[in-house]
Amino acid sequence: AQRVTQPEKLLSVFKGAPVELKCNYSYSGSPELFWYVQYSRQRLQLLLRHISRESIKGFTADLNKGETSFHLKKPFAQEEDSAMYYCAPQSVNAGNNRKLIWGLGTSLAVNP
Amino acid sequence: NAGVMQNPRHLVRRRGQEARLRCSPMKGHSHVYWYRQLPEEGLKFMVYLQKENIIDESGMPKERFSAEFPKEGPSILRIQQVVRGDSAAYFCASSPAGVGEKLFFGSGTQLSVL
Repeated sequence: AQRVTQPEKLLSVFKGAPVELKCNYSYSGSPELFWYVQYSRQRLQLLLRHISRESIKGFTADLNKGETSFHLKKPFAQEEDSAMYYCAPQSVNAGNNRKLIWGLGTSLAVNP
Repeated sequence: NAGVMQNPRHLVRRRGQEARLRCSPMKGHSHVYWYRQLPEEGLKFMVYLQKENIIDESGMPKERFSAEFPKEGPSILRIQQVVRGDSAAYFCASSPAGVGEKLFFGSGTQLSVL
């Protein structure tokens, strides 16, 4: 079965420290991977997708096919980064229907 | 563009009643997805619809749950004869095309079953 694992339910760092939110997936074929973020009292929104290879709000994520990982990284965390982060690889089922498989999320707390 | 609109924000039902959750996608979006989030759990896919078609309902419970996205009007997630275990946050998302495109989420409907 296609799965995604975010091993840390809660990650707490100090402002200015590097942060890495882990995401591992099991997937066959070429995955399309996304990170979504939900700030307090806001809607879930797309943070970045690996295909675009962009950096959003200082965050980057590299797809490592060998390790089947798509960890989210930022060199210097800011307090406004405190939020819930979801890793979501896209799966394709036998009927060629595509859907996102969601991790349980990691709550990032950046302390002053 | 007002974004994805879900209503009501909060819905309280007694066991055995029906719950109807509405989702109006963003203007120009013809793809709608419903997710359920139980307490202490992540988002779980329920159903993917395009206008007048159910594309993938593999995440929907076989009984009591149904979804539609008519040609006109919002998408409706309907739960008949609700039970306490149905209490959850239900999120709707829309996209202009299929999966692989950016999803835009609504604020969710919190269903509480007494």
